[in-house]
Amino acid sequence: LAKTTQPISMDSYEGQEVNITCSHNNIATNDYITWYQQFPSQGPRFIIQGYKTKVTNEVASLFIPADRKSSTLSLPRVSLSDTAVYYCLVGASGGYQKVTFGTGTKLQVIP
Amino acid sequence: EAGVAQSPRYKIIEKRQSVAFWCNPISGHATLYWYQQILGQGPKLLIQFQNNGVVDDSQLPKDRFSAERLKGVDSTLKIQPAKLEDSAVYLCASSNFLGNQPQHFGDGTRLSIL
Repeated sequence: LAKTTQPISMDSYEGQEVNITCSHNNIATNDYITWYQQFPSQGPRFIIQGYKTKVTNEVASLFIPADRKSSTLSLPRVSLSDTAVYYCLVGASGGYQKVTFGTGTKLQVIP
Repeated sequence: EAGVAQSPRYKIIEKRQSVAFWCNPISGHATLYWYQQILGQGPKLLIQFQNNGVVDDSQLPKDRFSAERLKGVDSTLKIQPAKLEDSAVYLCASSNFLGNQPQHFGDGTRLSIL
């Protein structure tokens, strides 16, 4: 299983763009990169998933360089409600494959 | 679509007692996971089912934890006897079998051992 490294915590002011980088040096060819968000007293919630280059949805963008050894989750114009823990996972869900959660990045949005 | 349902939401027991958690995955999801999340840590996989078969239970403390997924739908996780270190949130997740589908999580059961 590919090991991931993320900053333990980050602070940001409301309205700013936040970029959280995840390092995954031993990512395998078949691995995807998936980000989850977790609020207190809730289960993790899927944000975005990608394999290479850039993926964008209604809440975030995911940037993956050509070597795929890292990835960056970008949250545009964060609000207080984006305060949460963000997990970067590498691997494949479903079937007989599995992913492993790290300790995540605790994002604190400041008014 | 309905999400992953878990019950109970909270449970308080004394050490050495037994406890059971229930999970109903999203309809049609063949893969079901049980995680343990200790305060301040990321979720740790305990067991993964594919339909009613176990795919991975390498981190399940089998001397006290057991899980089953009869008929490949609902699942129960049991702890007997409970230890103080079992205090955690127990999360259930499900996903489709095919492709790299993300996991959908329930909100978990918070277990406190006295």
